[in-house]
Amino acid sequence: GAVVSQHPSRVICKSGTSVKIECRSLDFQATTMFWYRQFPKQSLMLMATSNEGSKATYEQGVEKDKFLINHASLTLSTLTVTSAHPEDSSFYICSARSANSPLHFGNGTRLTVT
Amino acid sequence: GQQLNQSPQSMFIQEGEDVSMNCTSSSIFNTWLWYKQDPGEGPVLLIALYKAGELTSNGRLTAQFGITRKDSFLNISASIPSDVGIYFCAGPGTSYGKLTFGQGTILTVHP
Repeated sequence: GAVVSQHPSRVICKSGTSVKIECRSLDFQATTMFWYRQFPKQSLMLMATSNEGSKATYEQGVEKDKFLINHASLTLSTLTVTSAHPEDSSFYICSARSANSPLHFGNGTRLTVT
Repeated sequence: GQQLNQSPQSMFIQEGEDVSMNCTSSSIFNTWLWYKQDPGEGPVLLIALYKAGELTSNGRLTAQFGITRKDSFLNISASIPSDVGIYFCAGPGTSYGKLTFGQGTILTVHP
């Protein structure tokens, strides 16, 4: 079945630095990937839709200059948290789908900004 | 916008008991999805429903797509400790591929 790989699974960074998270679809081509953010014991909140070969579409209230998304190929999307601050600490999850299947999720990235 | 109301928010049950949770939406859905999330991991698809009235099973899990197309339920029979986790319902969002998630049901199973 479809598999989505996310890397790294955990990252700790200092305030002011940038962190890149990768999301790969391993056995299918994903023209669209999605990035979610999840706070403890809460639901997933969609941050942006990543479109291969074009600009990402951000949800209302999400700063596009802070959360840079690049969808360089049909199997890879990256989320870069720029100038991270402690309030950016969260669980970030990507998802992807092929034309005829529901969304499959990566295993998430736990970001801790100190 | 679309809203999903999922209940209950949490459940504490004994091993072997059955579990039921449900979701209602403010608008008609043509797809209902049920996911389970283990701690520190991404959600995993349990059951996908595509037709009003559809009843689908996956092992001890059974889910139904409500006739009104505005609700769905998930049942877990004979719960076991590994059923612990957060269960989310989800439906299609406002554009292709987007999902709207319910608030989640935190399930705790006591041995």
